[in-house]
This record gives sequence, structure tokens and C-alpha cells, in this order.
Amino acid sequence: AQSVTQPDIHITVSEGASLELRCNYSYGATPYLFWYVQSPGQGLQLLLKYFSGDTLVQGIKGFEAEFKRSQSSFNLRKPSVHWSDAAEYFCAGITNFGNEKLTFGTGTRLTIIP
Amino acid sequence: GAVVSQHPSRVICKSGTSVKIECRSLDFQATTMFWYRQFPKQSLMLMATSNEGSKATYEQGVEKDKFLINHASLTLSTLTVTSAHPEDSSFYICSGTSGGGHQETQYFGPGTRLLVL
Repeated sequence: AQSVTQPDIHITVSEGASLELRCNYSYGATPYLFWYVQSPGQGLQLLLKYFSGDTLVQGIKGFEAEFKRSQSSFNLRKPSVHWSDAAEYFCAGITNFGNEKLTFGTGTRLTIIP
Repeated sequence: GAVVSQHPSRVICKSGTSVKIECRSLDFQATTMFWYRQFPKQSLMLMATSNEGSKATYEQGVEKDKFLINHASLTLSTLTVTSAHPEDSSFYICSGTSGGGHQETQYFGPGTRLLVL
């Protein structure tokens, strides 16, 4: 079955430290991949997306993600986190081009400690 | 970026009443809108997909007669929870895609928290 997996339910990082959130996908063809962030009680904000081309994608708020076909991964990274980055992060994917249904991972909750 | 609004942001209602939630695309025409439900500390579950001017397509297990979806214009979709019960209490989020050759990027609204007493 086509799916997106986020292995880490909860990650705690010190402010100023680097961050990597993992996302693995399982699709027959190369999917379109997305990272969204959700602050408590809020909707989802698009951080970045990968459709094709350069496998290193830059997003908003200093985030980037790298598509690695060999590892079926699309990990999200940030070199130095800020307290305001504390939120829930969702990886999502689409295949079946023409069918826009997103498949979401289960999310990773990020906690920032001083 | 594209902006989607939802109204109301939160609503409390009595069991047995109906509640309507509006989803608007403010700066783009949303040919397709999606409705999701999110339980606490869980991911989003797609409830239905609606295309402007046509009937919504519901996901398996979602009661179409209970969750009425209308997508009458390119900027407005509504979700009506009919005869709401406490188990319908949840966070409802809509999203829209802006069309074009590929409509893969969904822009999400801020969500509506529904509490049924």
C-alpha cells in the first residue's frame, strides 16, 4: 500500500541545535512529497514540497528537505532551531497523478528546550 | 501564498442540532476542496473531496448523510454536521487546491473545533 511513515512520534531538541525529522515513503512511482507544520489548535502550513528536479528543496522558515530515492526518504532539516519551531510536523505524499488525495504520516511532535 | 479561511473557528452545540462550517479560499479559486477530521494527537483523516458544482466524494466509512458537503462556488465549500452527537466532536480542517495542470499543493484552513455537548 502507498504510505508515508514518520518513525519518530516525539523529538526534543535544544534551542539553537540542528534538527532532522524523518519521513519515509512507500510508493510504486516517485511521489510528490510535502512537509507541513501545525501549531497547537491551528491548521497546517506548507513548509516545502518536492515534485521533481533538484533533490534538495528549500522551504520557508529556514527549513530544507532532501529527497533520497535510494533510501525512500524525504527528511526535513533545519540547522538551528528556534523556540517558535515547537509544533507538530507532518510529512505527506501524493501519487496517482490526477488524484490529489494526500497521504499523511502520523506526525512528529517537536519540543524545544532552552 | 494561498490563503484559506474557516468559520467559525470553534463552535459548541447541543446534541441533535446541526452545525455548518464554512471554508473559503481568499485569494485563489479552489476547484477542489478537501475536508479532514483530526482527533487529538493524531494525523488528519480525509473525509471527502469536493469539486465545484458537483457532488462530493466521500471516503470509506464517512456517512454522507451526516456530513453534508456543498461546494457551490470556486471560493466556498461548506460542511454541515447534521444531528451532531458527542462523538462528532473533533477538529475539522478544510483545504483547497488552485487548479492548473497539477493540483497537488493543498492550502489548509486554520481549522474549526467542534464540541458537541
